Amino acid sequence: AIQMTQSPSSLSASVGDRVTITCRASQGIRNDLGWYQQKPGKAPKLLIYAASTLQSGVPSRFSGSVSGTDFTLTISSLQPDDFATYYCLQDYNYPYTFGQGTKLEIK
Amino acid sequence: ELQLVESGGGLVQPGRSLRLSCEASGFTFEHYAMHWVRQAPGKGLEWVSGISWNSGSIGYADSVKGRFTISRDNAKNSLYLQMNSLRPEDTALYYCARDSSFGQTYNWFDPWGQGTLVTVSS
Repeated sequence: AIQMTQSPSSLSASVGDRVTITCRASQGIRNDLGWYQQKPGKAPKLLIYAASTLQSGVPSRFSGSVSGTDFTLTISSLQPDDFATYYCLQDYNYPYTFGQGTKLEIK
Repeated sequence: ELQLVESGGGLVQPGRSLRLSCEASGFTFEHYAMHWVRQAPGKGLEWVSGISWNSGSIGYADSVKGRFTISRDNAKNSLYLQMNSLRPEDTALYYCARDSSFGQTYNWFDPWGQGTLVTVSS
């Protein structure tokens, strides 16, 4: 199975900060990766698919990029609503695999 | 309105079985692949199983292969997960999620249901 190594596992930041979260795939997965946001007690929400395509309705401060097997989620200017846990998901082949998650906390 | 509603969770003893259901509404169910994702208490997300629109392609996580069976009934707009030989480590909130429609180049999980809780304990 493809392993997704997500870092950091937690991150403390302030409103207005620029933050980046990274997922590294254990093998090539083309651009078959999505980013999801989850808040406590809620179902995950799709932010980005195909590594860099912003889901409709998601603020433009979220962006995704890829370099080889390294995938990055960037939030350009943190807003209070962005404090949550973020997961990457490779959907290249079965079994699909999530990263371990990044908990973004308020500094 | 797009909606996925899971049901069938509950408390079950180790070694027993349980069948989860996910009822879809607000879209043409038969056009979409579907998935089950679980989350153990306080832990991260784990993809469990997926099924294509016509049941022609099915996949499982290694942790459930041979014990869980995914299926769907397009006439009933419903997705199922038959879980056998349950273990305490299967305790989790189980979500169903819609994938992209057939013919799409890429996949994405949207929307998600609110989940149904499965607790495996004696």
